[in-house]
Amino acid sequence: SQQGEEDPQALSIQEGENATMNCSYKTSINNLQWYRQNSGRGLVHLILIRSNEREKHSGRLRVTLDTSKKSSSLLITASRAADTASYFCATEAGAQKLVFGQGTRLTINP
Amino acid sequence: DAGVTQSPTHLIKTRGQQVTLRCSPKSGHDTVSWYQQALGQGPQFIFQYYEEEERQRGNFPDRFSGHQFPNYSSELNVNALLLGDSALYLCASSFDRAEAGELFFGEGSRLTVL
Repeated sequence: SQQGEEDPQALSIQEGENATMNCSYKTSINNLQWYRQNSGRGLVHLILIRSNEREKHSGRLRVTLDTSKKSSSLLITASRAADTASYFCATEAGAQKLVFGQGTRLTINP
Repeated sequence: DAGVTQSPTHLIKTRGQQVTLRCSPKSGHDTVSWYQQALGQGPQFIFQYYEEEERQRGNFPDRFSGHQFPNYSSELNVNALLLGDSALYLCASSFDRAEAGELFFGEGSRLTVL
């Protein structure tokens, strides 16, 4: 079963705009991770945020975590065509066992 | 430093056949996990191998089995293939530690069952 649920399922924006994706989860967590997947390829780890952190930055990425609402958001600023991909949040359900949501398909239009 | 490598990249089988997929983990990693990703869905955890033993298993039938070798590489076997087994099979490697950290994924093996 899916632990995380991403919203929206699909997002299309113009290059240069910011993209925001949300993730909700059901059970308490130690950390939450975000991954990117280019079409039909492997997943690439983007960022991990621990349960005692509220916000984390990595380059053009900003992740927030609200454990009281069991939700997280991923913000990509100044989007580029190369950011076109699917984005997944993942929570742990055992040692290095991740449970993924269904993902947000992001399309950046030139 | 080679990352996670998987083979084959694509394969086509017919119902009832058996398939073996292979994975070499990132150098220095000792834990291998397998995920199934159906089209348009997120990856689903199949099982995880550590020290040549299956340590955790997801909600998959016994038709799905695996193995880990002393060099940490791993195989995923699926018997009696069904149409619904068509998916991208992803291998992920990591260090064994108490808290889930970053997983490193291979490019996947795309299985089509006809």
